[in-house]
Amino acid sequence: DAKTTQPNSMESNEEEPVHLPCNHSTISGTDYIHWYRQLPSQGPEYVIHGLTSNVNNRMASLAIAEDRKSSTLILHRATLRDAAVYYCILRDNWNTGTASKLTFGTGTRLQVTL
Amino acid sequence: DTEVTQTPKHLVMGMTNKKSLKCEQHMGHRAMYWYKQKAKKPPELMFVYSYEKLSINESVPSRFSPECPNSSLLNLHLHALQPEDSALYLCASSQGTSKYQETQYFGPGTRLLVL
Repeated sequence: DAKTTQPNSMESNEEEPVHLPCNHSTISGTDYIHWYRQLPSQGPEYVIHGLTSNVNNRMASLAIAEDRKSSTLILHRATLRDAAVYYCILRDNWNTGTASKLTFGTGTRLQVTL
Repeated sequence: DTEVTQTPKHLVMGMTNKKSLKCEQHMGHRAMYWYKQKAKKPPELMFVYSYEKLSINESVPSRFSPECPNSSLLNLHLHALQPEDSALYLCASSQGTSKYQETQYFGPGTRLLVL
């Protein structure tokens, strides 16, 4: 499986933009890049995903490098509610059945301060 | 409704007990998952059900027995657990139609303590 590398932790001030990096140098051509986050005492939740082009949604933006070996999750204005562990995940090229696997790495713990 | 519910929220059991964890979703999803998460670690996949059939067992010990009685329900039967099985058990579901782009929706988990 292609692996991802993320910093263990990052800090941000509230209302400031946050750029969370992810390296995935062994990504294959058909791997999608997904981001999930896990708020304290909750299950993970989907944030965003992309293949080659940059993506935006109401939660965040995803910037993907041209060679696809790295990506950056961008929170445009961090709030205290964004404090969570953010996981960058490559979707497995898995051909068995119709379900698909999520293989979580260690993630980045984001702290947001006033 | 994008909610996955799990009961109970907390469970304490002895090593000789038999208990069950329950998970329910009403989104019409046909894939359901069990994950195990130890403290300060990422979730690890245990089982995947696709259209009510077990499609993945990640070499989980037989003291964990999953069951999918219908497309909305997923159970995890526990028997003769060890203290090291104490963890947060997360249930998730997804549409079950696509390999790459499916979003998985997670429940809040059941926090299990084995004494």
